[in-house]
Amino acid sequence: SAVISQKPSRDICQRGTSLTIQCQVDSQVTMMFWYRQQPGQSLTLIATANQGSEATYESGFVIDKFPISRPNLTFSTLTVSNMSPEDSSIYLCSGSSSNTGELFFGEGSRLTVL
Amino acid sequence: AQSVTQLDSHVSVSEGTPVLLRCNYSSSYSPSLFWYVQHPNKGLQLLLKYTSAATLVKGINGFEAEFKKSETSFHLTKPSAHMSDAAEYFCVVSSYNQGGKLIFGQGTELSVKP
Repeated sequence: SAVISQKPSRDICQRGTSLTIQCQVDSQVTMMFWYRQQPGQSLTLIATANQGSEATYESGFVIDKFPISRPNLTFSTLTVSNMSPEDSSIYLCSGSSSNTGELFFGEGSRLTVL
Repeated sequence: AQSVTQLDSHVSVSEGTPVLLRCNYSSSYSPSLFWYVQHPNKGLQLLLKYTSAATLVKGINGFEAEFKKSETSFHLTKPSAHMSDAAEYFCVVSSYNQGGKLIFGQGTELSVKP
Protein backbone atom coordinates (compact mmCIF):
# COMPACT_ATOMS: atom_id res chain seq x y z
CA SER A 1 0.00 0.00 0.00
CA ALA A 2 1.02 3.61 -0.54
CA VAL A 3 2.61 5.53 2.31
CA ILE A 4 1.27 8.99 3.07
CA SER A 5 2.88 11.18 5.72
CA GLN A 6 1.36 14.37 7.06
CA LYS A 7 2.68 16.99 9.40
CA PRO A 8 1.94 18.48 11.79
CA SER A 9 -0.18 15.71 13.31
CA ARG A 10 -1.89 18.29 15.48
CA ASP A 11 -1.66 21.95 16.32
CA ILE A 12 -3.39 24.60 18.36
CA CYS A 13 -3.59 27.97 16.67
CA GLN A 14 -4.82 31.45 17.40
CA ARG A 15 -7.69 33.07 15.54
CA GLY A 16 -6.57 35.07 12.52
CA THR A 17 -3.35 33.14 11.90
CA SER A 18 -2.60 30.69 9.10
CA LEU A 19 -1.25 27.15 9.20
CA THR A 20 0.32 25.10 6.43
CA ILE A 21 -0.02 21.32 6.45
CA GLN A 22 2.46 19.24 4.49
CA CYS A 23 1.82 15.91 2.82
CA GLN A 24 4.41 13.55 1.39
CA VAL A 25 3.38 10.49 -0.61
CA ASP A 26 5.32 7.66 -2.17
CA SER A 27 5.69 7.12 -5.89
CA GLN A 28 2.63 4.86 -6.26
CA VAL A 29 0.33 7.85 -5.93
CA THR A 30 -0.89 9.75 -8.97
CA MET A 31 -3.80 11.88 -7.79
CA MET A 32 -3.81 13.78 -4.49
CA PHE A 33 -6.75 15.17 -2.58
CA TRP A 34 -7.39 17.15 0.59
CA TYR A 35 -10.34 16.36 2.85
CA ARG A 36 -11.76 17.97 5.96
CA GLN A 37 -13.43 16.10 8.80
CA GLN A 38 -15.20 18.41 11.21
CA PRO A 39 -15.85 17.15 14.76
CA GLY A 40 -18.31 14.27 14.70
CA GLN A 41 -18.78 14.59 10.94
CA SER A 42 -17.89 12.68 7.83
CA LEU A 43 -15.18 13.61 5.36
CA THR A 44 -15.72 16.42 2.89
CA LEU A 45 -13.54 16.87 -0.17
CA ILE A 46 -11.85 20.28 -0.21
CA ALA A 47 -9.96 20.04 -3.48
CA THR A 48 -7.93 17.98 -5.89
CA ALA A 49 -4.26 18.97 -5.81
CA ASN A 50 -2.95 19.25 -9.36
CA GLN A 51 0.73 18.93 -10.07
CA GLY A 52 2.21 22.22 -11.22
CA SER A 53 -1.10 24.04 -11.57
CA GLU A 54 -3.95 25.46 -9.51
CA ALA A 55 -5.96 23.03 -7.43
CA THR A 56 -9.54 22.14 -8.37
CA TYR A 57 -11.84 23.21 -5.53
CA GLU A 58 -15.18 21.74 -4.54
CA SER A 59 -18.25 23.82 -3.98
CA GLY A 60 -17.95 25.82 -0.78
CA PHE A 61 -14.16 25.95 -0.77
CA VAL A 62 -12.06 28.76 -2.27
CA ILE A 63 -8.40 29.27 -2.99
CA ASP A 64 -8.08 32.35 -0.82
CA LYS A 65 -9.10 30.40 2.26
CA PHE A 66 -7.42 27.08 1.42
CA PRO A 67 -4.47 27.66 -0.91
CA ILE A 68 -2.98 24.39 -2.10
CA SER A 69 0.30 23.67 -3.79
CA ARG A 70 1.64 20.56 -5.46
CA PRO A 71 5.05 21.39 -6.89
CA ASN A 72 5.84 17.79 -7.77
CA LEU A 73 4.18 14.37 -7.94
CA THR A 74 4.83 13.36 -4.35
CA PHE A 75 4.39 16.52 -2.27
CA SER A 76 1.51 18.87 -1.51
CA THR A 77 0.63 21.54 1.02
CA LEU A 78 -2.68 22.87 2.28
CA THR A 79 -2.83 26.22 4.04
CA VAL A 80 -5.74 27.16 6.24
CA SER A 81 -5.78 30.96 6.11
CA ASN A 82 -7.09 33.53 8.57
CA MET A 83 -8.34 30.79 10.86
CA SER A 84 -11.44 30.95 13.00
CA PRO A 85 -12.75 28.41 15.54
CA GLU A 86 -15.03 27.02 12.81
CA ASP A 87 -11.90 25.77 11.04
CA SER A 88 -11.15 23.38 13.90
CA SER A 89 -11.14 20.02 12.12
CA ILE A 90 -9.03 17.12 11.04
CA TYR A 91 -7.48 17.77 7.65
CA LEU A 92 -6.56 14.65 5.69
CA CYS A 93 -4.31 14.26 2.72
CA SER A 94 -5.07 11.36 0.43
CA GLY A 95 -3.65 9.86 -2.70
CA SER A 96 -4.82 7.34 -5.22
CA SER A 97 -2.76 4.60 -6.78
CA SER A 98 -2.64 4.44 -10.54
CA ASN A 99 -2.37 0.66 -10.29
CA THR A 100 -5.32 -0.16 -8.07
CA GLY A 101 -7.40 3.01 -7.94
CA GLU A 102 -7.46 2.65 -4.18
CA LEU A 103 -7.37 5.84 -2.15
CA PHE A 104 -4.92 5.96 0.72
CA PHE A 105 -5.09 8.39 3.60
CA GLY A 106 -2.60 10.05 5.86
CA GLU A 107 -3.15 10.02 9.60
CA GLY A 108 -4.60 13.50 9.44
CA SER A 109 -3.73 16.85 11.00
CA ARG A 110 -5.93 17.76 13.94
CA LEU A 111 -6.29 21.52 14.06
CA THR A 112 -7.77 23.42 17.00
CA VAL A 113 -8.37 27.15 16.63
CA LEU A 114 -8.83 29.18 19.80
CA ALA B 1 -23.89 13.62 -9.54
CA GLN B 2 -22.93 11.04 -7.00
CA SER B 3 -24.09 10.62 -3.45
CA VAL B 4 -24.15 8.01 -0.76
CA THR B 5 -26.52 7.57 2.17
CA GLN B 6 -25.77 5.55 5.24
CA LEU B 7 -29.11 4.67 6.70
CA ASP B 8 -28.03 4.36 10.34
CA SER B 9 -25.91 6.86 12.23
CA HIS B 10 -25.37 4.38 15.05
CA VAL B 11 -25.61 0.59 15.28
CA SER B 12 -25.17 -1.39 18.47
CA VAL B 13 -24.67 -5.18 18.53
CA SER B 14 -23.58 -7.77 21.03
CA GLU B 15 -20.27 -9.55 20.64
CA GLY B 16 -20.68 -12.67 18.53
CA THR B 17 -23.84 -11.50 16.76
CA PRO B 18 -24.09 -10.43 13.10
CA VAL B 19 -23.32 -6.93 11.91
CA LEU B 20 -25.27 -5.09 9.19
CA LEU B 21 -24.36 -1.55 8.18
CA ARG B 22 -26.58 -0.20 5.43
CA CYS B 23 -25.57 1.98 2.51
CA ASN B 24 -27.43 3.23 -0.57
CA TYR B 25 -25.75 5.11 -3.39
CA SER B 26 -26.62 7.29 -6.34
CA SER B 27 -24.38 7.59 -9.36
CA SER B 28 -24.83 8.65 -12.97
CA TYR B 29 -21.93 6.46 -13.99
CA SER B 30 -20.72 2.97 -13.18
CA PRO B 31 -19.58 3.46 -9.62
CA SER B 32 -16.79 2.10 -7.56
CA LEU B 33 -17.85 1.56 -3.98
CA PHE B 34 -15.77 1.28 -0.85
CA TRP B 35 -16.11 0.77 2.86
CA TYR B 36 -13.57 2.47 5.11
CA VAL B 37 -13.16 2.08 8.87
CA GLN B 38 -11.88 4.72 11.26
CA HIS B 39 -10.90 3.73 14.77
CA PRO B 40 -10.72 6.47 17.40
CA ASN B 41 -7.74 8.75 16.83
CA LYS B 42 -6.55 6.59 13.97
CA GLY B 43 -6.38 7.03 10.22
CA LEU B 44 -8.80 5.60 7.69
CA GLN B 45 -8.38 2.00 6.61
CA LEU B 46 -9.89 0.39 3.54
CA LEU B 47 -12.08 -2.59 4.41
CA LEU B 48 -13.13 -3.58 0.91
CA LYS B 49 -13.97 -2.24 -2.52
CA TYR B 50 -16.26 -3.01 -5.45
CA THR B 51 -15.05 -2.08 -8.93
CA SER B 52 -17.45 -3.89 -11.32
CA ALA B 53 -16.12 -7.39 -10.81
CA ALA B 54 -17.84 -9.89 -8.51
CA THR B 55 -20.87 -8.40 -6.79
CA LEU B 56 -20.04 -10.08 -3.46
CA VAL B 57 -16.87 -8.52 -2.16
CA LYS B 58 -14.84 -9.94 0.70
CA GLY B 59 -12.67 -7.64 2.76
CA ILE B 60 -10.41 -7.70 5.75
CA ASN B 61 -11.34 -8.82 9.26
CA GLY B 62 -14.22 -11.00 8.05
CA PHE B 63 -16.28 -8.19 6.53
CA GLU B 64 -18.05 -8.49 3.21
CA ALA B 65 -20.44 -6.42 1.13
CA GLU B 66 -22.80 -7.15 -1.73
CA PHE B 67 -23.35 -4.76 -4.62
CA LYS B 68 -27.02 -4.79 -5.66
CA LYS B 69 -27.58 -2.56 -8.67
CA SER B 70 -31.36 -3.03 -8.67
CA GLU B 71 -31.51 -1.74 -5.09
CA THR B 72 -28.59 0.72 -5.43
CA SER B 73 -27.23 -0.74 -2.22
CA PHE B 74 -23.86 -1.81 -0.89
CA HIS B 75 -24.51 -3.06 2.65
CA LEU B 76 -21.62 -4.18 4.86
CA THR B 77 -21.97 -7.37 6.86
CA LYS B 78 -20.01 -9.58 9.23
CA PRO B 79 -21.26 -12.87 10.65
CA SER B 80 -19.89 -12.38 14.16
CA ALA B 81 -18.90 -9.09 15.78
CA HIS B 82 -15.75 -8.68 17.85
CA MET B 83 -15.10 -5.99 20.41
CA SER B 84 -12.31 -4.67 18.19
CA ASP B 85 -14.86 -3.92 15.44
CA ALA B 86 -16.15 -0.93 17.40
CA ALA B 87 -15.36 2.06 15.17
CA GLU B 88 -16.80 4.52 12.65
CA TYR B 89 -17.58 3.05 9.24
CA PHE B 90 -17.87 5.07 6.04
CA CYS B 91 -19.51 4.00 2.80
CA VAL B 92 -17.87 5.74 -0.15
CA VAL B 93 -18.68 6.12 -3.85
CA SER B 94 -16.34 7.05 -6.63
CA SER B 95 -16.39 7.20 -10.38
CA TYR B 96 -13.55 7.29 -12.86
CA ASN B 97 -15.67 9.70 -14.87
CA GLN B 98 -15.60 12.08 -11.91
CA GLY B 99 -11.83 12.14 -11.69
CA GLY B 100 -11.62 9.44 -9.06
CA LYS B 101 -12.95 11.66 -6.29
CA LEU B 102 -14.39 9.86 -3.31
CA ILE B 103 -17.71 10.98 -1.89
CA PHE B 104 -18.19 9.89 1.72
CA GLY B 105 -21.37 8.93 3.50
CA GLN B 106 -22.11 10.42 6.89
CA GLY B 107 -20.72 7.44 8.73
CA THR B 108 -22.14 4.76 11.00
CA GLU B 109 -20.80 4.33 14.49
CA LEU B 110 -20.67 0.66 15.45
CA SER B 111 -20.76 -0.22 19.13
CA VAL B 112 -20.10 -3.77 20.29
CA LYS B 113 -21.38 -4.84 23.70
CA PRO B 114 -19.72 -7.65 25.62
